[in-house]
This record gives sequence, C-alpha cells and structure tokens, in this order.
Amino acid sequence: DAGVTQSPTHLIKTRGQQVTLRCSPKSGHDTVSWYQQALGQGPQFIFQYYEEEERQRGNFPDRFSGHQFPNYSSELNVNALLLGDSALYLCASTLFIDRNEKLFFGSGTQLSVL
Amino acid sequence: QQQVKQSPQSLIVQKGGISIINCAYENTAFDYFPWYQQFPGKGPALLIAIRPDVSEKKEGRFTISFNKSAKQFSLHIMDSQPGDSATYFCAAINSGTYKYIFGTGTRLKVLA
Repeated sequence: DAGVTQSPTHLIKTRGQQVTLRCSPKSGHDTVSWYQQALGQGPQFIFQYYEEEERQRGNFPDRFSGHQFPNYSSELNVNALLLGDSALYLCASTLFIDRNEKLFFGSGTQLSVL
Repeated sequence: QQQVKQSPQSLIVQKGGISIINCAYENTAFDYFPWYQQFPGKGPALLIAIRPDVSEKKEGRFTISFNKSAKQFSLHIMDSQPGDSATYFCAAINSGTYKYIFGTGTRLKVLA
C-alpha cells in the first residue's frame, strides 16, 4: 500500500515565479491537507480539500491556492513567490478513526525561492 | 489562543533514560492531542494521541500524560534509544475545524 506521495522532492524558483506542487493521498483516503513547515518550525495549516472543494483554510494569502481531482489527488499552487515562501511543503491525507482525524504525511516538497 | 507552546527546544538524553517533552495550550475547544515524530528528510509520522477525557495513554515505551485543568500535556519516552533521535511535535485540534495547530518542535538526541 503506497503512502502519501509528493512531487517534486525539491524545487528551486526565483521571486515572482509561480509553482505547482502535487500530492497523491494514501489509497482510500479522500481528504487532503497542505501544511507549510519553515526551517526549525512546526507545520502550519494552509488548507484542506474534501470532495474537490476547499473545506477549511488557514492564515495564508490568496497567492496560495489548491485543487483536488476526482481521484482525490491534489495540487498546491503558489503565485508571485516571495523569499519567505521557502519552506518544506507537506501534504497529508486524512482518515477519520474513532472520531479522530488522523493525518498521514508525505515526505514533502522542499521549495527554495531565490 | 490558537498557539500550542512546546518545550524544551532541544533535549539530550543518555541511552536508557527518560525523555520528557511538554506542551501547553489555551484553547479549551481543542479535543484531540497527537504527538508526531519527524526524521530528517521525512514528513511527520503519528506516534501516539490522546483525547481530554483520559489522563494518560501508554503505547509501548511512549506515554502521554494529560492535565486538563492545567491545559498541559506531555510525552514521556521510556528507555530512550539512539533510534528515537528525531524531532517531536505536539499538536492539537478542535475536531470539525480540520485544522491542526502544531508546536514548534523538540529536537531529541539520545546518546549511545
């Protein structure tokens, strides 16, 4: 059973460019969340997608947008990149077990903005 | 009020010792408190979790202690091993908001 897969693993962009990150959730998981993890910090919630709709959003500007496809895979798009967008971007698929929302993270995409 | 404060920032423990990491929260609406373990180059992996209706949960060498009145919870790693060397994150969520709040992490090093 494949876990959560993310691509690409690493990415280097320059300020002002746009980037698209991709995520495939674990088999059977229909909910995908995206988190940003700055160096030395905990993950910060960007948004969650369920049934191809954004269900919840964190405190991130509109430059951050996403999409979920019918097969439950997801994309994170960031426009007009800033130096401060450099971080590890984590995708997590979600399973609800015994009333609890359990996150299963991928290994992330390391984005460097120069 | 949405923060989860985690301490210490780093921790060095001898092999066989007990590692203790603490977290505190303010939002009483939080109702699920997991701990995640992250190795370099990997995403966080769920280690153990607790709901506020119990004061302690143990899974193998890992124990969560939960103090609802103090709004604090902690992770205890018994018989710490070099393979436990990783960064540990506490987290909290108000179920239904779908949004986890993570602590800032504790970098644990277990000396052989």
